[in-house]
Amino acid sequence: GENVEQHPSTLSVQEGDSAVIKCTYSDSASNYFPWYKQELGKRPQLIIDIRSNVGEKKDQRIAVTLNKTAKHFSLHITETQPEDSAVYFCAEKRNSGYSTLTFGKGTMLLVSP
Amino acid sequence: EPEVTQTPSHQVTQMGQEVILRCVPISNHLYFYWYRQILGQKVEFLVSFYNNEISEKSEIFDDQFSVERPDGSNFTLKIRSTKLEDSAMYFCASREERYNEQFFGPGTRLTVL
Repeated sequence: GENVEQHPSTLSVQEGDSAVIKCTYSDSASNYFPWYKQELGKRPQLIIDIRSNVGEKKDQRIAVTLNKTAKHFSLHITETQPEDSAVYFCAEKRNSGYSTLTFGKGTMLLVSP
Repeated sequence: EPEVTQTPSHQVTQMGQEVILRCVPISNHLYFYWYRQILGQKVEFLVSFYNNEISEKSEIFDDQFSVERPDGSNFTLKIRSTKLEDSAMYFCASREERYNEQFFGPGTRLTVL
């Protein structure tokens, strides 16, 4: 089955609203959880990440929370703007190996003005 | 700010032909990766490379695929006999030894006819 499940697949919000995207993982050995933003036709770009020894991390309008017990982590975007519209991917890295990332299926976020 | 670069941006080939996709990782990075993304789907890991050898590979990376670091700057992905289902965006990524963050290149769109 999927190592990383991501929900929702699409998310439409009004400008100024908050957006939350959730991911669950199955490998308890995972210790690093990045979020990537991918605009249409462009490369994935890291927007925030969190390590397993931290429960929450914030960077301006973006925050990520991690619940190791439940094996899920979430991306929170506040005061959304039209330029936040993109596909967002969560990913996880196992504790072993060479930082291979396993990605979720992505969430298409559409922020309407 | 240094970036991963990839060439060509778009490659069109006939089924059964060999293709070589090229990447120039960020200069002080030691870990290199290839990922692919079929149109509209998630990013999938292919292979990781460290210290001049493959460190991990996925089930997608079969005998038709190979990677090479022919010199101090380039990192290549070769597909020996392309199939229709190889059509995808191929991303190269690299990272420093100390950090988990992977930096992605702009991708090569491979179209197999």
